[in-house]
Amino acid sequence: DAGVIQSPRHEVTEMGQEVTLRCKPISGHDYLFWYRQTMMRGLELLIYFNNNVPIDDSGMPEDRFSAKMPNASFSTLKIQPSEPRDSAVYFCASGQPPDTQYFGPGTRLTVL
Amino acid sequence: RKEVEQDPGPFNVPEGATVAFNCTYSNSASQSFFWYRQDCRKEPKLLMSVYSSGNEDGRFTAQLNRASQYISLLIRDSKLSDSATYLCVVNVYNQGGKLIFGQGTELSVKP
Repeated sequence: DAGVIQSPRHEVTEMGQEVTLRCKPISGHDYLFWYRQTMMRGLELLIYFNNNVPIDDSGMPEDRFSAKMPNASFSTLKIQPSEPRDSAVYFCASGQPPDTQYFGPGTRLTVL
Repeated sequence: RKEVEQDPGPFNVPEGATVAFNCTYSNSASQSFFWYRQDCRKEPKLLMSVYSSGNEDGRFTAQLNRASQYISLLIRDSKLSDSATYLCVVNVYNQGGKLIFGQGTELSVKP
């Protein structure tokens, strides 16, 4: 298995632009998680899905952030409009059971 | 108070040393426990689960004390390749089963 796949690996954008991060989970995993990691706040869970349904989005910082999982093999995390404080590494992880998680390589986002 | 707290580090040790990391968690409803390892600019990877009876995987030993809400990781005969950040992680079922990560402890093993 190729593991969790994320794209792009690096994204540099200007404040106010829309950013879309993509994730392909490991086949057969029913759970998908989006995390954000910064030096100040560490690794934070943003949202997670079970069987494509959002279960807990309490970690999503504000309305500028949205996530979708249209099918079992694809999820997106969108930031619109982006702000410099959104600069971070965004990880997608999948798991089955949910407490055994495999992380993707991450997307390093820089918002200028 | 953070839900999962770890030694701040960094730990700088010579090769062959034994090093111990400690972690405390605040939610008594926590049900499962893990140590993850994260190399510089890489993703976190599961190192080992932590069981109440304690468990060992080669040079690594994990312990759990539910009464004190305390988790530890012991690394014996440390190698240069052990240099990484070690993340203490708990799963809180009454929070929907999501994982809560500690801030991590950085380990640097020197020749």
